[in-house]
Amino acid sequence: DIVLTQSPGTLSLSPGDRATLSCRASQSVNNNYLAWYQQKPGQAPRLLISGASRRATGIPDRFSGSGSGADFTLTISRLEPEDFAVYYCQQYGSSLVTFGPGTKVEIK
Amino acid sequence: EVQLLQSGGVVIQPGESLRLSCAASGFTFNADTTHWVRQAPGKGLEWVSLITADGSFSDYADSVKGRFTISRDNSKSSVYLQMNSLRSEDTALYYCAKGPPSYSYYMDVWGNGTRVTVSS
Repeated sequence: DIVLTQSPGTLSLSPGDRATLSCRASQSVNNNYLAWYQQKPGQAPRLLISGASRRATGIPDRFSGSGSGADFTLTISRLEPEDFAVYYCQQYGSSLVTFGPGTKVEIK
Repeated sequence: EVQLLQSGGVVIQPGESLRLSCAASGFTFNADTTHWVRQAPGKGLEWVSLITADGSFSDYADSVKGRFTISRDNSKSSVYLQMNSLRSEDTALYYCAKGPPSYSYYMDVWGNGTRVTVSS
């Protein structure tokens, strides 16, 4: 199985800051099949990015995904108050789907 | 509106069985892969199982393989998770989620979750 590692575990930032979240895989992810999700307390996850860089419908353009192979990044260009949440990466390059442990973006 | 409606929460004893259900509306259910993903209290997301649109292929996380069975009834736009030999470590919020109309196994719509508590 592909193991995903996310860093940092917690990111303390202020509204307006830029957030850079990392997701590293234990081996190359087939076809860069890497997704990112946002989860707020008491809510189901929400898809942000698929295919490493393709924004889902309705996702603001301050969210962007990049990377390839085993190294991926989610960038939030300017944090809005509603962006403080937990972010998970997920690989789907094989049928044995796996999630990373998450990065919490909290208000500094 | 695209929705995934899940059955209510339950408390169940270790070793017992339980079937979760998830009913879809607002989209072409028989075109999309469907998943179960769980989240233990205070923890991250753990993928559990998937089943392809036509039901011809399914797969499972090692932690549930041999105990859980996923199925679907496209005539009822529903997906199910049969959970046998439940353990305390299966306690979690179980989400059903659907993928896009392809064989890409990401999840673009999620249900609100069913809370399963395994306790004596």
